[in-house]
Amino acid sequence: DTGVSQDPRHKITKRGQNVTFRCDPISEHNRLYWYRQTLGQGPEFLTYFQNEAQLEKSRLLSDRFSAERPKGSFSTLEIQRTEQGDSAMYLCASSLTREDTQYFGPGTRLTVL
Amino acid sequence: AQSVTQPDIHITVSEGASLELRCNYSYGATPYLFWYVQSPGQGLQLLLKYFSGDTLVQGIKGFEAEFKRSQSSFNLRKPSVHWSDAAEYFCAVADLNDMRFGAGTRLTVKP
Repeated sequence: DTGVSQDPRHKITKRGQNVTFRCDPISEHNRLYWYRQTLGQGPEFLTYFQNEAQLEKSRLLSDRFSAERPKGSFSTLEIQRTEQGDSAMYLCASSLTREDTQYFGPGTRLTVL
Repeated sequence: AQSVTQPDIHITVSEGASLELRCNYSYGATPYLFWYVQSPGQGLQLLLKYFSGDTLVQGIKGFEAEFKRSQSSFNLRKPSVHWSDAAEYFCAVADLNDMRFGAGTRLTVKP
């Protein structure tokens, strides 16, 4: 499978715990995006990378959230001190260039108890 | 700031009937426009996109969309709906750095 993959697919955690999600983009895609989707809503942009550089962050990305793409390939999204409001589907997408189509992964569904 | 509105939260059509899903956007210049479909447990799949040129865009699975600048709309259409088209449909607008999605329209297909 050469699509975008995300791990884990589901994560249940207790409030206050830290969680980390991984995204593996399509090989050779330079751009990688993170989105959050809550029930009944469309995805909301969180941040994106051009290779290893994080170029933009939404104001939705509070200081408890951090994303990395250390070698310009896979990316991780960490949420520290999780809150119940963080419960959502976290989507990753990648594209070859700015103008290219974004291809989405299946998402990681986070439930904070 | 750019924004996308999908006025219909939920639409039900009979199998074989035609379909039109509405999308209105707000953006200063000519945006990049997209329609994605999301089935339960599946990732978002691109149906079609508009960057420039012909305002009638053909996509996968028999879908098409028409960009109307005067109405700031990018409505999705299909002449004959199949049961497998039941899903959530999202319209999106993009600029250089991010993509904004509408809240989605849930499509139910009656047998």
